[in-house]
Amino acid sequence: DVKVTQSSRYLVKRTGEKVFLECVQDMDHENMFWYRQDPGLGLRLIYFSYDVKMKEKGDIPEGYSVSREKKERFSLILESASTNQTSMYLCASRVAGVAKNIQYFGAGTRLSVL
Amino acid sequence: AQKVTQAQTEISVVEKEDVTLDCVYETRDTTYYLFWYKQPPSGELVFLIRRNSFDEQNEISGRYSWNFQKSTSSFNFTITASQVVDSAVYFCALSTSGTYKYIFGTGTRLKVLA
Repeated sequence: DVKVTQSSRYLVKRTGEKVFLECVQDMDHENMFWYRQDPGLGLRLIYFSYDVKMKEKGDIPEGYSVSREKKERFSLILESASTNQTSMYLCASRVAGVAKNIQYFGAGTRLSVL
Repeated sequence: AQKVTQAQTEISVVEKEDVTLDCVYETRDTTYYLFWYKQPPSGELVFLIRRNSFDEQNEISGRYSWNFQKSTSSFNFTITASQVVDSAVYFCALSTSGTYKYIFGTGTRLKVLA
């Protein structure tokens, strides 16, 4: 079974803090994704990494950066957390390439910025 | 433009009732893939089904069935004899050839009452 693990289920941070959200997958997938989920808005793509050290901005990258130094790990960084970044963050991975490939998700990190 | 619409924000049913979750998509591509995911209270999105644009056969898996109709651009999901464990948020998603992205609907929250 594919396993995507997000390091924290819940996080509470202060405005202005630097926040790291970590995601690890164990299936040697090339592609990894970070989404944010908000009520009524569904899932919105923040960043996508198609391989180690490779990344592309998604639909809402402002205020975020990412790091992919190893194939299995994809980190989402909030350089200076703000209250409007309070949300559920979901990581996903999949085999590289075509549109049919299934994305597998982690359990999510619920981040509160106070 | 590509879009996925899940017009039903929330549905409540009593256990053992049948329920259909609607998904309408928009794309100009002729090759595309449609997905359904389930998000239980634990948070992780669980893959349920993938359908490609060339396969309009309906599919049944236990109490779950899917009706794909290109003529109406719909990919609806029916749960027969619903159970409390079916309570979750269900997402429909679209992926087209030449892109890495999924386009997600906003989700439908299903509550099955005992």
